[in-house]
Amino acid sequence: EAQVTQNPRYLITVTGKKLTVTCSQNMNHEYMSWYRQDPGLGLRQIYYSMNVEVTDKGDVPEGYKVSRKEKRNFPLILESPSPNQTSLYFCASSLGAGEVDTQYFGPGTRLTVL
Amino acid sequence: GNSVTQMEGPVTLSEEAFLTINCTYTATGYPSLFWYVQYPGEGLQLLLKATKADDKGSNKGFEATYRKETTSFHLEKGSVQVSDSAVYFCALSDPTNAGKSTFGDGTTLTVKP
Repeated sequence: EAQVTQNPRYLITVTGKKLTVTCSQNMNHEYMSWYRQDPGLGLRQIYYSMNVEVTDKGDVPEGYKVSRKEKRNFPLILESPSPNQTSLYFCASSLGAGEVDTQYFGPGTRLTVL
Repeated sequence: GNSVTQMEGPVTLSEEAFLTINCTYTATGYPSLFWYVQYPGEGLQLLLKATKADDKGSNKGFEATYRKETTSFHLEKGSVQVSDSAVYFCALSDPTNAGKSTFGDGTTLTVKP
């Protein structure tokens, strides 16, 4: 089954404790992206990747890191989480980086930083 | 920068009512436009899209027409069902930077039997 998977689905952590949210897709998609969803703010793009070893900042990259060492995986790293990073996070992928391509979203990761 | 403005919600309708969710955008050039739907507890999934002016996207009874003159992409459905209850997001892909996407705030629709 074609899908985007994220782990963990739920995470409660404390300020300053490094964490990684994994994202993997099995569709051989070139493009992958991370978003955060907050009430009243919709989805905001954190980082995106056009292909392996190519990443770029979205609208809200502060406090996050990403890497794209393999085509299928695009982990989101929070080196020193803070309470304002409490949010619902979505990973997405699409076939290419063209503007017409549909994005396929993972099920989301709900992160709480205490 | 780019922006997407959606009609504020929440929206509550009775079954078989007509639905309109307004979406307007600001972008340089001519972006591709999308409507995504998010059902409770799930990720977003594409509902429909349009890639150039006057294109009409349609799916599952929903329609939206890309209006360049009014920079709009309003979502419509003639007769909603309880199963259409969800959050709807309007989005655009940056025509000058294919990797960047901008989403609206989302509109929550509740359909009552």
